[in-house]
Amino acid sequence: GAVVSQHPSWVICKSGTSVKIECRSLDFQATTMFWYRQFPKQSLMLMATSNEGSKATYEQGVEKDKFLINHASLTLSTLTVTSAHPEDSSFYICSAPDRGVTEAFFGQGTRLTVV
Amino acid sequence: AQSVTQPDIHITVSEGASLELRCNYSYGATPYLFWYVQSPGQGLQLLLKYFSGDTLVQGIKGFEAEFKRSQSSFNLRKPSVHWSDAAEYFCAVTPINNAGNMLTFGGGTRLMVKP
Repeated sequence: GAVVSQHPSWVICKSGTSVKIECRSLDFQATTMFWYRQFPKQSLMLMATSNEGSKATYEQGVEKDKFLINHASLTLSTLTVTSAHPEDSSFYICSAPDRGVTEAFFGQGTRLTVV
Repeated sequence: AQSVTQPDIHITVSEGASLELRCNYSYGATPYLFWYVQSPGQGLQLLLKYFSGDTLVQGIKGFEAEFKRSQSSFNLRKPSVHWSDAAEYFCAVTPINNAGNMLTFGGGTRLMVKP
């Protein structure tokens, strides 16, 4: 099946710094990728839709200036958490649909801890 | 707006016992339906999916799910639970014309297995 790789798996950063998370489709091209956030013991909530070559689409309540998304190629989307604060600590997961295959494939997730 | 409800937040079963996890959805039309499993700190693995046809769907790891249109339900079942099945389970939907793309997740059900 299609593989989506997310890096890093976990990261600890200081409050006020920025963190970049990468999401790669390894064996297929993805013009669209999705970023989800999952707080402890909660479900996954869609944050934004990443579109190759154009601006991302953010869900209501998600600050686009804080969560910068760049989809520079057909196999890579990045999520940058800018000026991170402890309340940004969460599990971030990306997914990508494989065109012609009717399902989305998920990365392993990134555990972000802001101290 | 579409929504997914998993009424049971936690379920504990004995190893070898049968399992049923409930999922109800609210949507204008029958969406595509999915069940995912998430082990602690890990990404999501697709167990099974329903698009159309036979309402009883077989998945991986011995899981199956039954779609009941009249009840707007898509319950997950397994005849005999193994200790390795302990994890978080998510039901999810996506619009029928948007398969594989952004998913709406239920709140999740945490399964614990007693020896």
